[in-house]
Amino acid sequence: NAGVTQTPKFRVLKTGQSMTLLCAQDMNHEYMYWYRQDPGMGLRLIHYSVGEGTTAKGEVPDGYNVSRLKKQNFLLGLESAAPSQTSVYFCASSPPGGGLHTQYFGPGTRLTVL
Amino acid sequence: GQSLEQPSEVTAVEGAIVQINCTYQTSGFYGLSWYQQHDGGAPTFLSYNGLDGLEETGRFSSFLSRSDSYGYLLLQELQMKDSASYFCAVRPSLSGNTPLVFGKGTRLSVIA
Repeated sequence: NAGVTQTPKFRVLKTGQSMTLLCAQDMNHEYMYWYRQDPGMGLRLIHYSVGEGTTAKGEVPDGYNVSRLKKQNFLLGLESAAPSQTSVYFCASSPPGGGLHTQYFGPGTRLTVL
Repeated sequence: GQSLEQPSEVTAVEGAIVQINCTYQTSGFYGLSWYQQHDGGAPTFLSYNGLDGLEETGRFSSFLSRSDSYGYLLLQELQMKDSASYFCAVRPSLSGNTPLVFGKGTRLSVIA
């Protein structure tokens, strides 16, 4: 099993450009999450999904959109990138029920917005 | 709202024992988890406490006191490879779908 994978690993954007980050998991997990991590800020939840076709806002959703068209994939979109979105983005997944406290993280995407 | 407090940095000597504390304020509570993250890497799950008491996994132990809204991660026989950031996380018992809320992390430096 590959676990949780993220594409791309690195990306540099100019202000105003758009992009989509792809997260894929092969563990048949129901729950998927997108976080951003900035120095001294820990992990902040952007959006999450509790199943195929469902999404919900997290702590810092502004400027981002998500879609979960297939159970194994969770996409994070930036429609008009801003320098404040320079960060490391982590995707995670977890099974429902007793496994909710255990999240499996992808390797991260390092995004720089100039 | 939800908040978790943990020290930002801790330094300890190789072979020693270190304790990383976490206090939380949440509207509900459904367990305390700990994650480890090495520089440049992804967070990985270490332990979970759903009930009061101590959980042991090798050199790592985690403790929870729900009445005190407090928990800690104990690392014994420290090794250089334990240098990493450690995050506590709670799930508020608002609903079964509520995601984890993470603390800001404690950076542990193990020195020789």
